[in-house]
Amino acid sequence: GAVVSQHPSRVICKSGTSVKIECRSLDFQATTMFWYRQFPKQSLMLMATSNEGSKATYEQGVEKDKFLINHASLTLSTLTVTSAHPEDSSFYICSARARGAQETQYFGPGTRLLVL
Amino acid sequence: GQSLEQPSEVTAVEGAIVQINCTYQTSGFYGLSWYQQHDGGAPTFLSYNGLDGLEETGRFSSFLSRSDSYGYLLLQELQMKDSASYFCAVYMTTDSWGKLQFGAGTQVVVTP
Repeated sequence: GAVVSQHPSRVICKSGTSVKIECRSLDFQATTMFWYRQFPKQSLMLMATSNEGSKATYEQGVEKDKFLINHASLTLSTLTVTSAHPEDSSFYICSARARGAQETQYFGPGTRLLVL
Repeated sequence: GQSLEQPSEVTAVEGAIVQINCTYQTSGFYGLSWYQQHDGGAPTFLSYNGLDGLEETGRFSSFLSRSDSYGYLLLQELQMKDSASYFCAVYMTTDSWGKLQFGAGTQVVVTP
């Protein structure tokens, strides 16, 4: 089946530092990758859509300079939380969609970010 | 505006049947998906309905009525491992890429 990995799984950092999260599709080429944020006991909120070779499309209210997304290849997308603050602490999840399977997204295991 | 409604919590005993309803109001509707998420884990894909009717996958079935903007997920022969959050998600094609909008989730609690 389609496998998506994320790294790191958990990160603790000091306020003001930047954190990079990697999302990889391991056994398929992901034409599109998505980045979500989830607070405890809440739903997944789409942050941005990332397509290989083009700029990411951000959802309303998401700061593109705060959350930098790079989709370097058909198997790798990165999310960088710049100058992280405690309010950025959350569960960040990526998903990937393969060509020809537009309706199905395969999710990574998530990255739990804690900013002190 | 865009909205999805699903119950916040359902409790049932092992072996029972649970139906989780989802009503939606969105533009660019293309289909309805269901995802399962255990505490601390990633969402996993359960089913997708692009057309009206029932889709069956083992113990889980999903239904869609586009005219009623309504769907449901049916969990049969409940097992303890089915305790999790279940999200309905509308697949929308408001832009060229298509994206999912998730409901708030239904916490299913299975008791012995």
